Amino acid sequence: SQQGEEDPQALSIQEGENATMNCSYKTSINNLQWYRQNSGRGLVHLILIRSNEREKHSGRLRVTLDTSKKSSSLLITASRAADTASYFCATDLEGRRALTFGSGTRLQVQP
Amino acid sequence: SQTIHQWPATLVQPVGSPLSLECTVEGTSNPNLYWYRQAAGRGLQLLFYSIGIDQISSEVPQNLSASRPQDRQFILSSKKLLLSDSGFYLCAWSRDRLGSGNTIYFGEGSWLTVV
Repeated sequence: SQQGEEDPQALSIQEGENATMNCSYKTSINNLQWYRQNSGRGLVHLILIRSNEREKHSGRLRVTLDTSKKSSSLLITASRAADTASYFCATDLEGRRALTFGSGTRLQVQP
Repeated sequence: SQTIHQWPATLVQPVGSPLSLECTVEGTSNPNLYWYRQAAGRGLQLLFYSIGIDQISSEVPQNLSASRPQDRQFILSSKKLLLSDSGFYLCAWSRDRLGSGNTIYFGEGSWLTVV
């Protein structure tokens, strides 16, 4: 099964609302990253949080990490129609040389 | 700045035909290189990664293979495609070891439909 599992699988909100996506993982990590994918395109890196960090901000993005619960959340504040995309968490597992991606959350922001 | 090129962008291939997807990275040296596959509406599955020329690790046993003939070139191949090989293939690169906090940079992907 996937190392990272996002929840919910799909989310539909109105512009201006906040969007929260969650990610759970199973084993120890070095860091956790969030990526965005527009339909039919490659993924773009959004933010990285290290295993010794609990919260990180970047613009309208806020990421939290709880290593005791093996979970992370991505909050997008004041969403815009342009935020419509799929969002993936990816874990950098100890001893592994590649990122492991979750199944993603499809976010639809209605104008 | 670094760029990654991946081609072709789309292709339709009959079952049993060969496959070659190519990826090149510019503006960096000795990158780690990756091939991921994404089924429609799903997450990414790591297929291969490479830390150097002729140093390729396979994650999933299947009829695909990868080669790295040059430092910044990564090729995904198959001798005989299966229907199940259909999907969105993504090439990516990163600097050095991921454990040091590096991120992955993706190409624009190649849509493969096997008919």
